[in-house]
This record gives sequence, C-alpha cells and structure tokens, in this order.
Amino acid sequence: DGGITQSPKYLFRKEGQNVTLSCEQNLNHDAMYWYRQDPGQGLRLIYYSQIVNDFQKGDIAEGYSVSREKKESFPLTVTSAQKNPTAFYLCASSLQQGSHEQYFGPGTRLTVT
Amino acid sequence: KQEVTQIPAALSVPEGENLVLNCSFTDSAIYNLQWFRQDPGKGLTSLLLIQSSQREQTSGRLNASLDKSSGRSTLYIAASQPGDSATYLCAVKGTGANNLFFGTGTRLTVIP
Repeated sequence: DGGITQSPKYLFRKEGQNVTLSCEQNLNHDAMYWYRQDPGQGLRLIYYSQIVNDFQKGDIAEGYSVSREKKESFPLTVTSAQKNPTAFYLCASSLQQGSHEQYFGPGTRLTVT
Repeated sequence: KQEVTQIPAALSVPEGENLVLNCSFTDSAIYNLQWFRQDPGKGLTSLLLIQSSQREQTSGRLNASLDKSSGRSTLYIAASQPGDSATYLCAVKGTGANNLFFGTGTRLTVIP
C-alpha cells in the first residue's frame, strides 16, 4: 500500500522534554511538510522540505526542528523551547513543490503536561 | 498574506439533500485550490484539486468550482448520505507561497 504513515498516533510527554514525531512516505514524493492543527484554527505550516538534505522554515517554526536525510522520512522534533506544544500534528507530501496535490498522513496527537 | 474563510462553520442537513459548502480567499494569485475531508481525530483526505486555469472538477457526487477573480470556491455534494458527515476544509496554494493556506472548515452533519 502506498501512503504516508505517522507514528505514534498518541504521544504524551512531560514539559521540558524533547519529543520526535515520525513521518514516512513510500509515494516517491520529493516534497514533505509538517503542519500543526489547533481547535478553531486552520492548519499552519511548521517546516517543509523540497528535496533530501534541504528544508525551510514555515510560518511557526520556533521551537521545532526537522531533518531530511532520506527521501522517505521527515521527522519533526518538538523541543522544550516550544511554548505551547500540545496539538495535532499532520505530515504531508507532494510529488514536487508547487502546484501538486498534497497528501496527508493520519496525524499524531501530542499532549504535553 | 492569504486569508481563507469558510462559512458556515457548521451545517446540518437531512439525508438526501443536495448542499453547497463555501470557501473564499483574499488573494486571487493562486496555483490551485484543494478540498479535503477530515473525520474526527484523523488526517486529511484529499477530495478534489482545482488548478488555477480550471473552473471546476468532479468526482462522483462531488463537484468543486473555482472563480479566481472573485476569490471563491464552492463544493457541491449531491444526494448527501450520513457517511458524508465530516469536516470539510479548503486550502489554497499561492503563487509565491511554499505551503497551503487553510480555512477553518465546515463541520457537516447529515441526519439519517
């Protein structure tokens, strides 16, 4: 089956700890994205990557970090510097940056207490 | 900065009705517009993608239209079913942007 997988589905962490969310795709897509979804707000872009070993900040990158060592994988680390990390995190990919359709994973719900 | 608005925020209809969901955006310089469906606690499922040069796209009971000059798109759902109950999101890709700009969605409930 082709698609995007995110793990885990639910994640609980104590304040002050870093946590890494996994995103893997087997669609052979070049571009990958991380969005954050909060109640009553539209999705907001955290980071995106157009190609392996390259990534760019989105609108709300502060307190987050990413890596893109492999085409298939785009992990997101939520650091202790992120002031309000509790949210639903969605990973997406597209064939290339630009006008191509974006496909989304099932999401990870992170709760930090 | 692009702003995307979806009205109404919630909509309830009896099964079998045809319905229209609305999406408006402030900057008409877009690459494309995408409609998504999101079930509670789940990721987004892409329904339709309309490129800026297109006026509409159809998939089964769904039809999406795009009027770039007025900054509007509609998603028409024919013969609604309880399984259509979900939140519907529209998102636009600007020509100068690297990401999609999302609306806050319309939560649809189809009553059996």
